[in-house]
Amino acid sequence: GAGVSQSPSNKVTEKGKDVELRCDPISGHTALYWYRQSLGQGLEFLIYFQGNSAPDKSGLPSDRFSAERTGGSVSTLTIQRTQQEDSAVYLCASSHDNGDTQYFGPGTRLTVL
Amino acid sequence: RKEVEQDPGPFNVPEGATVAFNCTYSNSASQSFFWYRQDCRKEPKLLMSVYSSGNEDGRFTAQLNRASQYISLLIRDSKLSDSATYLCVIGNTGGFKTIFGAGTRLFVKA
Repeated sequence: GAGVSQSPSNKVTEKGKDVELRCDPISGHTALYWYRQSLGQGLEFLIYFQGNSAPDKSGLPSDRFSAERTGGSVSTLTIQRTQQEDSAVYLCASSHDNGDTQYFGPGTRLTVL
Repeated sequence: RKEVEQDPGPFNVPEGATVAFNCTYSNSASQSFFWYRQDCRKEPKLLMSVYSSGNEDGRFTAQLNRASQYISLLIRDSKLSDSATYLCVIGNTGGFKTIFGAGTRLFVKA
């Protein structure tokens, strides 16, 4: 069946611009996660959703980062006024329920010039 | 104490060697445990779940020690294709997030 998909696969933007990253989870998965990974580094947790609510937003680095999930499905991660340090691969994962196996999308590689 | 700790390595081993990784976790109420594998510039993928009784999948054996709060992964007869970063994952239910370890890098040499 269809896995987790993310778009765009690559995004190059100029410092100060806003970007939106999209994640389509596996159908029926109630939990959705966003992570960030810089080159050669581990996964950095950003936020997770259970349904449409976000019990844990503790990983969002600053108030420039926000995320929403609608209809218990698609999620959007928005980064406002991008900075060069925001450059990373942004990974989305979904699981049937929180604590279950997470399935990852291919990621969005964000480059801020 | 970190929520999840792994030896970052790298582990450099010859083909055919046996190698083991451990991962400790701090939350004694954690419910589920996994090992993921991540290849360079790829997304993490599930390698195997870790069950209380221990489980084996071919050359890979995973074990859970709840009393000492760690999980382990044993790779026998290492192959070149086993070279990757191995992430331990500790799952929690309710409102608590799943925690990924920082990963252990393995290089298998010919």
